[in-house]
Amino acid sequence: KQEVTQIPAALSVPEGENLVLNCSFTDSAIYNLQWFRQDPGKGLTSLLLIQSSQREQTSGRLNASLDKSSGRSTLYIAASQPGDSATYLCAVRDPLLDMTKIIFGKGTRLHILP
Amino acid sequence: GAGVSQSPSNKVTEKGKDVELRCDPISGHTALYWYRQSLGQGLEFLIYFQGNSAPDKSGLPSDRFSAERTGGSVSTLTIQRTQQEDSAVYLCASSLSQGWPQHFGDGTRLSIL
Repeated sequence: KQEVTQIPAALSVPEGENLVLNCSFTDSAIYNLQWFRQDPGKGLTSLLLIQSSQREQTSGRLNASLDKSSGRSTLYIAASQPGDSATYLCAVRDPLLDMTKIIFGKGTRLHILP
Repeated sequence: GAGVSQSPSNKVTEKGKDVELRCDPISGHTALYWYRQSLGQGLEFLIYFQGNSAPDKSGLPSDRFSAERTGGSVSTLTIQRTQQEDSAVYLCASSLSQGWPQHFGDGTRLSIL
């Protein structure tokens, strides 16, 4: 059974610092991996999607890497800003589940200190 | 519409009552998903629709939960005889088709007293 773990559960860093959020998954046979952002009281916003054949994706100050063999992904945020404060969720799409389900981690609550 | 719309945004009801949650997907999206997000837990998959059909109902937690979709558009999630453990945020997502990236609504926050 695929399980997704995110560490740490919460993180506070001063504005301007670079930071890394971690995601691990137990079954390396994934179709893709996605990072989402969730603001309080809101739904999820997709940040980056990495296909299983890719090793990284970049969007602005965000860079996500994928190492399928070790079951790990990282989300790198450069030059953090207070507006980056949110919960970041990692999710994998499992091909064995006919690609209909996404399995989510519990998220990392990020607080950027002004 | 421009995005996935869910209503109501908040619902407070007494234990034992039935509740109905509504999801309006993005126009043209054939796939629709319901998830539940409980405090301190990750998102839990509930059910998936392709058109009006639900090929995967495996995530529904009990027979008190049911969902339907009509006209390949609006979906309703119904919870009968609500229990306190049903309190959660219920999120709906839609995608162009199965396997495509999902777009999420803001959810319905359900509180059972």
